[in-house]
Amino acid sequence: VQLVQSGAEVKKPGASVKVSCKASSYTFTTFGISWVRQAPGQGLDWMGWISAYNGSTHYAHHLQGRVTMTKDTSTSTVHMELRSLRSDDTAVYYCAVTMYNYPCYFHSWGQGTLVTVSS
Amino acid sequence: EIVMTQSPATLSVSPGETATLSCRASQNVSSDLAWYQQKPGQAPRLLIYGASTRATGVPARVSGSGSGREFTLTISSLQSEDFALYYCQQYNNWPPLTFGGGTQVEIK
Repeated sequence: VQLVQSGAEVKKPGASVKVSCKASSYTFTTFGISWVRQAPGQGLDWMGWISAYNGSTHYAHHLQGRVTMTKDTSTSTVHMELRSLRSDDTAVYYCAVTMYNYPCYFHSWGQGTLVTVSS
Repeated sequence: EIVMTQSPATLSVSPGETATLSCRASQNVSSDLAWYQQKPGQAPRLLIYGASTRATGVPARVSGSGSGREFTLTISSLQSEDFALYYCQQYNNWPPLTFGGGTQVEIK
């Protein structure tokens, strides 16, 4: 299982960012993908999960209304968009595959995408 | 939301010795508990799932135990590659999936 993420982003407060995660070496629609972020020097924060099978989603309560996860089956890619960015959204964002069609543990992780929010 | 608490925050161990890391859940999570290792600048790596099942490629000197609310990760015969940050994560009750705050295993 391989997950390759898009490159680093620098955004201004109030802007939006969209991070992509391309999966390979397995049948994309079989499993789900979560997004987890890690602020500098901090722990892991689960953001939400999307089923690559039917696109159903579960989001963390503290990000409801600001985050959207979508999938593109034709390219085996999952996207995570975060809106109304604030300075405390500065973090490394990881995608991670769960080998079931529901949120559980993370079997493999992408390399991470640094998103910096700064004026 | 289930709160996961890891202890200690930092563990100083000599190479060749055994490290014992603890993780406590605020509610019963059955055996729906995973452990990850993270090294600086890298993504986390799955070590244990189902509280005690080693992931592919994880050496036998790494073991997990526990159920309900109390869990332990034991790493015996510590080697240089084991000095890292370790997180536990519950997946019994979601959303949200939740992680502990981490335990840093450092060289004594």
